[in-house]
Amino acid sequence: EVVLTQSPGTLSLSPGERATLSCRASQSVSSSYLAWYQQKPGQAPRLLIYGASSRATGIPGRFSGSGSGTDFILTISRLEPEDFAVYYCQLYGRSLTFGGGTKVEIK
Amino acid sequence: QVQLRGSGPGLVKPSETLSLTCTVSGGSVSSGSNFWSWIRQPPGKGLEWIGYIYNSGSTSYNPSLKSRVSISADTSKNEFSLSLSSVTAADTAVYYCARASGGFLDFSLIIYAFEMWAQGTMVTVSS
Repeated sequence: EVVLTQSPGTLSLSPGERATLSCRASQSVSSSYLAWYQQKPGQAPRLLIYGASSRATGIPGRFSGSGSGTDFILTISRLEPEDFAVYYCQLYGRSLTFGGGTKVEIK
Repeated sequence: QVQLRGSGPGLVKPSETLSLTCTVSGGSVSSGSNFWSWIRQPPGKGLEWIGYIYNSGSTSYNPSLKSRVSISADTSKNEFSLSLSSVTAADTAVYYCARASGGFLDFSLIIYAFEMWAQGTMVTVSS
């Protein structure tokens, strides 16, 4: 079973700054099956990125995903106030598993 | 546009069975390309996939919960349901129903990312 490890656990940044979130898989996985979600308090997760780098419908261009093999990155180019939330990576395809999450908080 | 709405009791006693229902509008639970799923999130913790149903009757479950989980669909009501037996306090969580698309690729069943989620249902296990 593949384990997804997200780092850091918490990222403290100011609006306008760049956020870089990491998701590392315990073994090489297909980038076709790596997704990122955003979750705000009291809300369901929202799909941001699928296939490691494709933005879901309606997702702003400041969100981008990259990576392959075991290392994947979610980048938020310039943080907006509404971007402070928890972010999860997820492996899908033939199996389903989530990473532990990274909280992006206001510094 | 597909919309999901979860419902069910907010309080379940230990050792009893947790039962939740997700009502689907704007789509069909009998559609072969949709995977109707349950995901849970204990308070302050991360997401855990529970299982899914597709094609109205085929299912797949998280191995860690498989012995206690059952997911079924009622096509006449266009809804799918979760049953989790022998619950303990560790099953206290927000339970989400969600939809993913998928299909077969190289003879393997493939499920894609969860593009649609319902607002969660908080379930507390307590006597």
